[in-house]
This record gives sequence, structure tokens and C-alpha cells, in this order.
Amino acid sequence: DAGVIQSPRHEVTEMGQEVTLRCKPISGHDYLFWYRQTMMRGLELLIYFNNNVPIDDSGMPEDRFSAKMPNASFSTLKIQPSEPRDSAVYFCASSFRPRRYEQYFGPGTRLTVT
Amino acid sequence: AQKVTQAQTEISVVEKEDVTLDCVYETRDTTYYLFWYKQPPSGELVFLIRRNSFDEQNEISGRYSWNFQKSTSSFNFTITASQVVDSAVYFCALSVDGGSQGNLIFGKGTKLSVKP
Repeated sequence: DAGVIQSPRHEVTEMGQEVTLRCKPISGHDYLFWYRQTMMRGLELLIYFNNNVPIDDSGMPEDRFSAKMPNASFSTLKIQPSEPRDSAVYFCASSFRPRRYEQYFGPGTRLTVT
Repeated sequence: AQKVTQAQTEISVVEKEDVTLDCVYETRDTTYYLFWYKQPPSGELVFLIRRNSFDEQNEISGRYSWNFQKSTSSFNFTITASQVVDSAVYFCALSVDGGSQGNLIFGKGTKLSVKP
């Protein structure tokens, strides 16, 4: 079975550029999560969707970040404009009833903003 | 408020040693779920186990075992006869029924290095 798929795996961009990260959740999972991992802050939940609808975006750091889920099999996280402090590994995860069931994580996108 | 504490930042052992990773959680909810994830050097997060608050039975899976004790609010993870491939960062996490659906609270992680 295919797991959570993320692309690209690595992204290097210059400050001020737009960055789009992509995620395909596991088929049948109705929850999708975006996390950010840094050495300083560990794993942080940015936003999550249920049935393609954003439920909680309180973790999104600022207006430069936006996320969409146009259908059950695709989500994007966009940063515009990007800044060096956005450098991190961004994970997408999906789940079925996440309180009670585990979230399955994608391989992550390592973003470097120079 | 909920919290997960992994007091051991780094542990180093020699292959074939047994090692226990500690996890202490805090919550006032009576229904909650505990998880362990492994993050190997390649970076992905791999789910290992889920436990709910009503099931205090210990779990064994091969060389891995988990000890859940509500009396001490702990959910410790033991690797028996460790191998180099066990080298990774291990995260303990908590979710509660009364919280946000997406609120999977992670500990800071314990970095395990297994040397040959």
C-alpha cells in the first residue's frame, strides 16, 4: 500500500520566493495534517483538515503561510514570500479518526531558504 | 493542559545491550491515547505503537516492548538486544478525547545511538 506521498523531498530557494509543498494522503483517510520540524521547536502542528475542510489553522505561523486541500487526495502548503527562518522539514500526515488512531507521516520535505 | 516529557535527550549503548526510553505524560482527561514514533537518520517518522488509557497491558513486538503504567503516568519503551539499525530519534506522543482532533502532543524526543 502506498503511504503518504510528499513532494518535493528537498527544496532550496532564495528569500522572497514562493514555495509550494505537496502531499497525497493515504487513500481513505479523512484527516490530513501539516507539521513543521525544527531543532529549536521540535514538531509543530501547523494546520489540519477533515474531509478537505480546514479545521484548525492556529499553528500557522503567519499570513505568509497558506494551505489548501482541493480534494481528498491532494493538499498543498504554500509559503509566500519565504524567509530563512522558514527553513525546516515539513511533514504531511494522514489519519482516520486521529484521536484514537495513529497518524501516518510522509517522508517530509526539507526546505532551505537562503 | 497536556504534556509529554522525554527526559533523556540522548542515549548511547553498545550493540546487544538493552535500553529503555522513558516517557512521562500529563493529562487530566480520563480517555487518552499514547503513541511511539521512530525517526531514523533518513528522516521519516515511523509509527510504532498506540495504546489507549483503558488498556494497561504491556505490549511486546519482537525486540520491542512497552510498559504502560497509569499510576506513574509513564509509557516506557524498551529495546532488547539493541542493534545498530535501532539508532534513531524516538518520540512519545499523546492525544486526548477532549482535545482538538489534531492535537497530537509530541515529546522532544530521545536520540538513541547504538554502536557496534
